[in-house]
Amino acid sequence: DQQVKQNSPSLSVQEGRISILNCDYTNSMFDYFLWYKKYPAEGPTFLISISSIKDKNEDGRFTVFLNKSAKHLSLHIVPSQPGDSAVYFCAAPGGGADGLTFGKGTHLIIQP
Amino acid sequence: DTGVSQDPRHKITKRGQNVTFRCDPISEHNRLYWYRQTLGQGPEFLTYFQNEAQLEKSRLLSDRFSAERPKGSFSTLEIQRTEQGDSAMYLCASSDTGNYGYTFGSGTRLTVV
Repeated sequence: DQQVKQNSPSLSVQEGRISILNCDYTNSMFDYFLWYKKYPAEGPTFLISISSIKDKNEDGRFTVFLNKSAKHLSLHIVPSQPGDSAVYFCAAPGGGADGLTFGKGTHLIIQP
Repeated sequence: DTGVSQDPRHKITKRGQNVTFRCDPISEHNRLYWYRQTLGQGPEFLTYFQNEAQLEKSRLLSDRFSAERPKGSFSTLEIQRTEQGDSAMYLCASSDTGNYGYTFGSGTRLTVV
């Protein structure tokens, strides 16, 4: 039972444009969300997080939006750069474990 | 401190053999986590330690898996009688208590042939 869902396995965006990565969750007990970025042959790297008491958190080119009523969050990257090409994972603490529950990831490809 | 270190980076083993992986966390982090990632999936939680105490184990962690963290420093993950289904990337992460922005290592890729 996937409690954190990333329904787009891949996304291709032109350099300089906005990248929007989506994540849905089913567990209404989740109250904190994180995005991780992963390059090949490396471990995931923490990118940005948001608490459920907020609906937006911004850090440089990265902004995460949370819509609690829709159980949906999104990561916006603007402008997209070639180094942003990576797999992005949405995650939430809990879901039956004290660790993080991750989605399956979205492979973002930035095209020149 | 250069981050979370995992050794080896790659391991190829024959089915039925035992393997052991090591993780050295960031020294000031008191929490250490093990995750497993297979192709096309996100990391899946296996177990975690608060200092030397193993506080939770996932149902994914069968009896063939055992993890230790002696003296609350480095940790080892052992898999006994490996099966082909154990082939995966095994990731270690560490954090301060209450901080979910884990620092992950580069992982150990296990291939069981």
